[in-house]
Amino acid sequence: DVKVTQSSRYLVKRTGEKVFLECVQDMDHENMFWYRQDPGLGLRLIYFSYDVKMKEKGDIPEGYSVSREKKERFSLILESASTNQTSMYLCASSLPDRTRYSNQPQHFGDGTRLSIL
Amino acid sequence: AQTVTQSQPEMSVQEAETVTLSCTYDTSESNYYLFWYKQPPSRQMILVIRQEAYKQQNATENRFSVNFQKAAKSFSLKISDSQLGDTAMYFCAFMNPSGANSKLTFGKGITLSVRP
Repeated sequence: DVKVTQSSRYLVKRTGEKVFLECVQDMDHENMFWYRQDPGLGLRLIYFSYDVKMKEKGDIPEGYSVSREKKERFSLILESASTNQTSMYLCASSLPDRTRYSNQPQHFGDGTRLSIL
Repeated sequence: AQTVTQSQPEMSVQEAETVTLSCTYDTSESNYYLFWYKQPPSRQMILVIRQEAYKQQNATENRFSVNFQKAAKSFSLKISDSQLGDTAMYFCAFMNPSGANSKLTFGKGITLSVRP
């Protein structure tokens, strides 16, 4: 089974701090994703990466950056945490789709509930 | 841009009964994938079922089946013989495959409670 591990289940930080959320997958997946989940808004894509050192902005990248130095690890960085970044953060990984008629499902971690005070 | 709409925020069903969760989407693409994900209270999101738009046959996975109406852009999930373990949040999601960078667009989710 694919294992996607997020370093913390719960995290409390202060406004203005630099925050690192770590995600590691053990299945040699090329694609990795960071989402935030908020009540009534579903999951929204922050950033994704389809290869080492590659990254693309998702739907809500403002206030965030990412790092993918190794294939198995994808880090989400809050450069200067703000209270509106209090949320549940979910990491996911998948193999790439090789053709338009193939599909690889995304596998999710347990999530990190981040509170910014 | 694609959108996914789940208009019901909550539903409740008696154990052993059948429940249908609705989802509609909007796209101009002809080839795409649709998914239902389940997020139990323990929070790990897992894939329940998926449907390829080019396939006319509705996908089925044990007690879970979909009613895919491409012309109506509707993708509902039917859970038969509901079990207490089905209590979870369910998300409908859309993917337009575009090479290696396929992204999911999620609906807002629906909270399903199965009553004993």
